[in-house]
Amino acid sequence: LAKTTQPISMDSYEGQEVNITCSHNNIATNDYITWYQQFPSQGPRFIIQGYKTKVTNEVASLFIPADRKSSTLSLPRVSLSDTAVYYCLVGLISSGSARQLTFGSGTQLTVLP
Amino acid sequence: DGGITQSPKYLFRKEGQNVTLSCEQNLNHDAMYWYRQDPGQGLRLIYYSQIVNDFQKGDIAEGYSVSREKKESFPLTVTSAQKNPTAFYLCASTDRVNPYEQYFGPGTRLTVT
Repeated sequence: LAKTTQPISMDSYEGQEVNITCSHNNIATNDYITWYQQFPSQGPRFIIQGYKTKVTNEVASLFIPADRKSSTLSLPRVSLSDTAVYYCLVGLISSGSARQLTFGSGTQLTVLP
Repeated sequence: DGGITQSPKYLFRKEGQNVTLSCEQNLNHDAMYWYRQDPGQGLRLIYYSQIVNDFQKGDIAEGYSVSREKKESFPLTVTSAQKNPTAFYLCASTDRVNPYEQYFGPGTRLTVT
């Protein structure tokens, strides 16, 4: 099963771009990579998902190299409200299976004024 | 408004008692999930159900039971066999269009003494 490793914490300043990298060396061929944001005492919120190369939506970008052994979540111009824990999740959901839907310990991002 | 509701937000029980946590969704999602989160940790999958009247064990199912009699509801029972039941419990659901975009409820914080 794909185990994920992320930095425990990161600090940034308002207006900066933040990149959070997740390592998943034994990712399986059909696994997808998903990122979530969680505020204290709340359920996580979906940010972005991808399989390979680059994915961009209105809030973030996800960069996945060709070997797929890592992925980087990029948050452009962070604000104080982006202070949260960010989780990388790697796994496969298919009919009858939900392999490796276990979140890692996450990265605590603190945005400073 | 569509979403997932979990009740109650806080729950206190004595050791040795079974307790059932409620999870309801009006998103018309087929799949539903239960996770457990301990302080400073990521989420761990307890059970999931991809269709009514069917469910599978996740990584930490021992001491828990579930039912899926209706599409909208996926209650979790924490039995007295669960050794360390005190935790934050989160319910999520997904649709078929994007099974990786999980919608989470607000969570139930269970304290067993």
